[in-house]
Amino acid sequence: EVVMTQSPLSLPVTLGQPASISCRSAQSLVSSDGNTYLNWYQQRPGRSPRRLIYKVSNRDSGVPGRFSGSGSGTDFTLEISRVEAEDVGVYFCMQASHWPHTFGQGTKLEIK
Amino acid sequence: EVQLLESGGGLVQPGGSLTLSCIVSGFTFGGYTMSWVRQAPGKGLEWVSAISAGGDNTFYADSVKGRFTISRDNSKNTLYVQMGSLRAEDTAVYYCARDNFDPTGYYYDYWGQGTPVTVSS
Repeated sequence: EVVMTQSPLSLPVTLGQPASISCRSAQSLVSSDGNTYLNWYQQRPGRSPRRLIYKVSNRDSGVPGRFSGSGSGTDFTLEISRVEAEDVGVYFCMQASHWPHTFGQGTKLEIK
Repeated sequence: EVQLLESGGGLVQPGGSLTLSCIVSGFTFGGYTMSWVRQAPGKGLEWVSAISAGGDNTFYADSVKGRFTISRDNSKNTLYVQMGSLRAEDTAVYYCARDNFDPTGYYYDYWGQGTPVTVSS
């Protein structure tokens, strides 16, 4: 299976400041169809995970514009341009290019 | 409104068995592949098992193969997982999730709130 490695695992951020989370895969996530199926999920405290980003850089419906995804191959990044209080939670990357689908360990974002 | 509600979690001794259920509403259950995903304390999410819409195909993570059995009853809108030969490392919150595949890719679009399983003597 493809191992996904996130960093940092803990991310204290001041309100209004940017935040960046890295996700690296042990092998390329370019699928046989040419797409890169890298998703980012947000899990707020006490809530179920919610997908924010699909195929590296596409925001899901309703996701604020301050969230953006980038990267290619094996290196990916989730960025929040200006952190708000409601962004507190755990962020996971997930690859769906190879079976079984695998997740990163999660990055806990908290307000400093 | 889509809802997934897990139940059946609890404390079980190593080597023991437990069956989790997930009752769903708000969508045509029999039209979707469903999965179990777990989250061990302080760890990331781990896909555990999946079952096709009709129930004829099942898939397992290597870590649970031969010990867990996934099933579904489409007439009852319910997903199950029978867990046997439980180990301490199976301790986790277990989520049921709906699989989806569309032009945005393969993903889990609806999740339950999770049910905790603790394997300990």
